[in-house]
Amino acid sequence: GAGVSQSPSNKVTEKGKDVELRCDPISGHTALYWYRQSLGQGLEFLIYFQGNSAPDKSGLPSDRFSAERTGGSVSTLTIQRTQQEDSAVYLCASSSVRGPQETQYFGPGTRLLVL
Amino acid sequence: KQEVTQIPAALSVPEGENLVLNCSFTDSAIYNLQWFRQDPGKGLTSLLLIQSSQREQTSGRLNASLDKSSGRSTLYIAASQPGDSATYLCAVPGGSARQLTFGSGTQLTVLP
Repeated sequence: GAGVSQSPSNKVTEKGKDVELRCDPISGHTALYWYRQSLGQGLEFLIYFQGNSAPDKSGLPSDRFSAERTGGSVSTLTIQRTQQEDSAVYLCASSSVRGPQETQYFGPGTRLLVL
Repeated sequence: KQEVTQIPAALSVPEGENLVLNCSFTDSAIYNLQWFRQDPGKGLTSLLLIQSSQREQTSGRLNASLDKSSGRSTLYIAASQPGDSATYLCAVPGGSARQLTFGSGTQLTVLP
């Protein structure tokens, strides 16, 4: 079946502009995660959605970052007033089974470059 | 706070060699441990998941072991091939969202 998809695959923007990144999780997966992978920081957790519950935003680095998940499926990560340090690969993951067997499946990522 | 460390950071071996990648974590209260592969410019591919009650998992030429009490996991790759060249990451879930905490990865190069 189809895996996790993300769009765009690459995004170049100017400092100060807003960007939206999209994630389509695997159909039926109730859990959705956003992570960021940057050169100096490795892979970092950003935000988590589980079903219709309120999202866990504990990993968001600043209030310029926000995300929503519509209808329990597609998610959009928005970065407002982008800064050069926002340049990174943004990865989305989804999973279905909670507990010791939970496997997170990752999308190909969106490579963001802020000039 | 969970911390995950991977050693070595980079490894280069000739084709056909068996090799071991190491992963250590500071908090042994984990649900499971996952090993991922990442090719340049690509996302993460899940290789193996070891549940906390298990000691090892095997998939083809890959064997992952887990020793919770010592906070260690190893990924053994048998008869390495140039196609195995990639960055290998280990990760454990934790925190309020069971988000994954990743090691910094081992960049493997298998020379033909």
